[in-house]
Amino acid sequence: DIQMTQSPSSLSASVGDRVTITCRASQSISSYLSWYQQKPGKAPKLLIYPASSLQSGVPSRFSGSGSGTDFTLTISSLQPEDFATYYCQQSSRTPPLTFGGGTKVEIK
Amino acid sequence: EVQLLESGGDLAQPGGSLRLSCVASGFTFSSYAMTWVRQAPGKGLEWVSSIHGGVGGTYYADSVKGRFTISRDDAKNTLYLQMDNLRVEDTAIYYCAKDSVTNNGIFDGFDVWGQGTMVTVSS
Repeated sequence: DIQMTQSPSSLSASVGDRVTITCRASQSISSYLSWYQQKPGKAPKLLIYPASSLQSGVPSRFSGSGSGTDFTLTISSLQPEDFATYYCQQSSRTPPLTFGGGTKVEIK
Repeated sequence: EVQLLESGGDLAQPGGSLRLSCVASGFTFSSYAMTWVRQAPGKGLEWVSSIHGGVGGTYYADSVKGRFTISRDDAKNTLYLQMDNLRVEDTAIYYCAKDSVTNNGIFDGFDVWGQGTMVTVSS
């Protein structure tokens, strides 16, 4: 099974900062990688799929890059509403559809 | 409006059973793969099970294989998760989620999620 490793597990940042979260797959997944944002008490929200395609309605300060095994989610200028937990997930023709462990973005 | 509404979560005893339902609206349900994802209290997201659209193949996490059964009734726009032989570690919020791309043989990103239903397994 493919394992997804996210880093860091948490970070503190200020409004306006540039934030980068990485996700590494244990084997190549091409561009079959999703990024989600989850706020407390809410369901996850799809931000990016596949690896670099922004979903409709998602602010352009979010971007994704990478292919194969190494992926990055970048928030170019952190806004107050961006404080949340972010997850990567590998998509596949054959599950398991593994999630990364999550990255909690907190206010500095 | 595209919407998913889960129900069926409850308190169950270890070894017991529950059936979760997820009613879909606002899209052609039969054209999309569907998935169950769970989140234990204070923990991350865990993929549980997926089913392709139409006469769909089914897939399970090792942690639930042989105990949980995913199914769908396209006539009723409803996704199910039959949960048998429940364990304490199955305690979680269970979300149903819709694939973002119509039946293409791949489980893509999940673009619509329900609000979740809480399953608590305890004696």
